[in-house]
Amino acid sequence: AQRVTQPEKLLSVFKGAPVELKCNYSYSGSPELFWYVQYSRQRLQLLLRHISRESIKGFTADLNKGETSFHLKKPFAQEEDSAMYYCALQGYSTLTFGKGTMLLVSP
Amino acid sequence: GAGVSQSPSNKVTEKGKDVELRCDPISGHTALYWYRQSLGQGLEFLIYFQGNSAPDKSGLPSDRFSAERTGGSVSTLTIQRTQQEDSAVYLCASSLGGAGNYNEQFFGPGTRLTVL
Repeated sequence: AQRVTQPEKLLSVFKGAPVELKCNYSYSGSPELFWYVQYSRQRLQLLLRHISRESIKGFTADLNKGETSFHLKKPFAQEEDSAMYYCALQGYSTLTFGKGTMLLVSP
Repeated sequence: GAGVSQSPSNKVTEKGKDVELRCDPISGHTALYWYRQSLGQGLEFLIYFQGNSAPDKSGLPSDRFSAERTGGSVSTLTIQRTQQEDSAVYLCASSLGGAGNYNEQFFGPGTRLTVL
């Protein structure tokens, strides 16, 4: 069975501090992983996907198959990064989401 | 063009009543998904449509939940005899392709269901 674990419900940092949102997965096949973000009063949207190997809004995420992790990182957090972040794993039919981590960036 | 739309945006109902939630996907998207978002539970997959067929309905929590899709477009999620534990935000998403294509899912704004 596929599973996504986000161990932190809440991560609170100060502006300018580095951020790492943790995500671990369990999947028997070759994983396809995503990070989705939901800003306050906005709909859920794709932030990045691992196959793109791109940086979006300063965020990056590297797939580590050995550690079965896909942590989301940003070197310098901004107040506008405050949002709910969900890690997701593509299965045959659909996405399996983690329970999410709320990121709060304080000035 | 317009994104995924859902109606109503909010629904308050009494325990035991039936409710219907509607989703209009992005035009041309063949795949449609329903999820439930609850506090502390994250997003739970409910059902997946490819065209008008539902090859995966494994996430529906009980037989009180059903969904249909017509014309390869609009979908309706029906909850019969609602219970208080059904209170949640119900999200709909659509994507260009279906299983295994890893297409980006575009989400609607959700319907907030409150069962009193």
